[in-house]
Amino acid sequence: AQSVTQPDIHITVSEGASLELRCNYSYGATPYLFWYVQSPGQGLQLLLKYFSGDTLVQGIKGFEAEFKRSQSSFNLRKPSVHWSDAAEYFCAVRYSGGYQKVTFGTGTKLQVIP
Amino acid sequence: NAGVTQTPKFQVLKTGQSMTLQCAQDMNHEYMSWYRQDPGMGLRLIHYSVGAGITDQGEVPNGYNVSRSTTEDFPLRLLSAAPSQTSVYFCASSRTGTSGSHYEQYFGPGTRLTVT
Repeated sequence: AQSVTQPDIHITVSEGASLELRCNYSYGATPYLFWYVQSPGQGLQLLLKYFSGDTLVQGIKGFEAEFKRSQSSFNLRKPSVHWSDAAEYFCAVRYSGGYQKVTFGTGTKLQVIP
Repeated sequence: NAGVTQTPKFQVLKTGQSMTLQCAQDMNHEYMSWYRQDPGMGLRLIHYSVGAGITDQGEVPNGYNVSRSTTEDFPLRLLSAAPSQTSVYFCASSRTGTSGSHYEQYFGPGTRLTVT
């Protein structure tokens, strides 16, 4: 069964510091990968997605992610974090074919300190 | 476009009561799904549908029922509420197709359900 692992439950960074959130997915043909962000009390919003082509993808709010097939990873990065980035971040995977179920990781909660 | 809408936003039920969470989308998306979100567990898929008349179970379907009579609506029914169903419920929709697995999901604002 497809699965997604986000090994960091909670991360604290200083405003202006760089950020990397880790995501590993179970091996499968043609994974489609997503990062979503959830602000407190809100629904989920798509940050970026990867489905083919360039393995470095750019998203909204200055985020980027790199797909590494050899490591089954899709880590999210941002060079300089802003206080408004404090939220919970979810990685998700979907495989082609079948009914295309989406599996989410358990999330990483980001705290930004001044 | 209103996107994905969910009603109600908040609900308190007593154990054993039944209710229906409503979800509607106006984007003509074929794929719709229901998730529950619990602390430390991320989002877990309850049921999903790839089109009107077609539904299937996700990873935590017990105690929930769905139907899809139209493309727009995908209600989730709690048959006999239990405290273990206290959670935040999200509905989502997306396009789909033979080459459409990369389409992202659009989420509703959620329903916060408490069962006492």
